[in-house]
Amino acid sequence: GAGVSQSPSNKVTEKGKDVELRCDPISGHTALYWYRQSLGQGLEFLIYFQGNSAPDKSGLPSDRFSAERTGGSVSTLTIQRTQQEDSAVYLCASSFQGAPMTEAFFGQGTRLTVV
Amino acid sequence: DQQVKQNSPSLSVQEGRISILNCDYTNSMFDYFLWYKKYPAEGPTFLISISSIKDKNEDGRFTVFLNKSAKHLSLHIVPSQPGDSAVYFCAASTGNQFYFGTGTSLTVIP
Repeated sequence: GAGVSQSPSNKVTEKGKDVELRCDPISGHTALYWYRQSLGQGLEFLIYFQGNSAPDKSGLPSDRFSAERTGGSVSTLTIQRTQQEDSAVYLCASSFQGAPMTEAFFGQGTRLTVV
Repeated sequence: DQQVKQNSPSLSVQEGRISILNCDYTNSMFDYFLWYKKYPAEGPTFLISISSIKDKNEDGRFTVFLNKSAKHLSLHIVPSQPGDSAVYFCAASTGNQFYFGTGTSLTVIP
């Protein structure tokens, strides 16, 4: 497709289980971002990938969160030992470059519910 | 610590009137500002942006105003249409990161 694709669109998991969220960015986009939106909160930056550079992980809330980007394209966000406070909509975005002048295009998000 | 704030969680406007959505920020290093629009069950879509070197940017019915001294940003929609009903996020960036507000839900009443 032409846009950013995320899967699954919804995920319900039990507390303590691990989950993987997938993002397929727009072809050719070198920058990829993960954000999450918790209830009543703004979009919270998690991690940023730009080309072959080391990712900016400064937004990851704990060491239970990790992300990979294979081959400069698809990215996977992994949350280990999920907690109820991890429940949120996780959004992926991509752009041609990481410069602030470039607008990022978002996927539809994955709604994660930890029960 | 919320660096970008949208203090109005919701706004209702009559069709044809002007919608004004406000946004405040705290970091004077932000050099680029964006507005995103989000429909339910969809990701945010880019709407309009403005560089910190400008104070106004217009695109059709949408105009963004930037007041750097007040650290304030606003989005004007004129005339408002029912299809504009959505959640609007203000965002600011410096370097590689975007900082988003909590969003304002706009309802345009036919």
